[in-house]
Amino acid sequence: GQQVMQIPQYQHVQEGEDFTTYCNSSTTLSNIQWYKQRPGGHPVFLIQLVKSGEVKKQKRLTFQFGEAKKNSSLHITATQTTDVGTYFCAGRGSGNTGKLIFGQGTTLQVKP
Amino acid sequence: EAGVVQSPRYKIIEKKQPVAFWCNPISGHNTLYWYRQNLGQGPELLIRYENEEAVDDSQLPKDRFSAERLKGVDSTLKIQPAELGDSAVYLCASSSFDRSAYNEQFFGPGTRLTVL
Repeated sequence: GQQVMQIPQYQHVQEGEDFTTYCNSSTTLSNIQWYKQRPGGHPVFLIQLVKSGEVKKQKRLTFQFGEAKKNSSLHITATQTTDVGTYFCAGRGSGNTGKLIFGQGTTLQVKP
Repeated sequence: EAGVVQSPRYKIIEKKQPVAFWCNPISGHNTLYWYRQNLGQGPELLIRYENEEAVDDSQLPKDRFSAERLKGVDSTLKIQPAELGDSAVYLCASSSFDRSAYNEQFFGPGTRLTVL
């Protein structure tokens, strides 16, 4: 079945450093969503990417969808302590009826 | 506007006991999801409802899990009997699902279940 893998599992950075998490699917995706979960909290939607090669920016966050629609990345420029949390990608396979498959997440720690 | 409401927030039970979780989605959201999240993992879909119809329950362990959304609004997820491996956070989410445009999912705070 469809699998979504994320790397790295954990990342510790100094405040001000950049951070990137990568998401890879075993199958072609129709779209991909990104969520953030703060410690002790619940997942909160960040963005959805639909088109091949799509790039979207939200302030210091840049999201990319690969040309083959099988991978995606989230890049944070100049991390801040408020960026702490776990970032999940969630892919939706082509032709299915809307089921999202979540990756295992990348947990970001930011040292002030 | 109120978000997704779940209760209880925490539940501790002994194995073989029954347990039930309740979810009230955002008003007007016709799609409701139940997920299970194990420690250090992403959410895994258990069941998805469109209105009162369960359209995807392929991941629901039907020997012990059951769910209902009788009037297409709030929903209950039940486990009977619970096993040690059922310890996890049970998340409910809702969205205004449209087949032509997949929308974001809004998650509730979750119920943390501990089975002793």
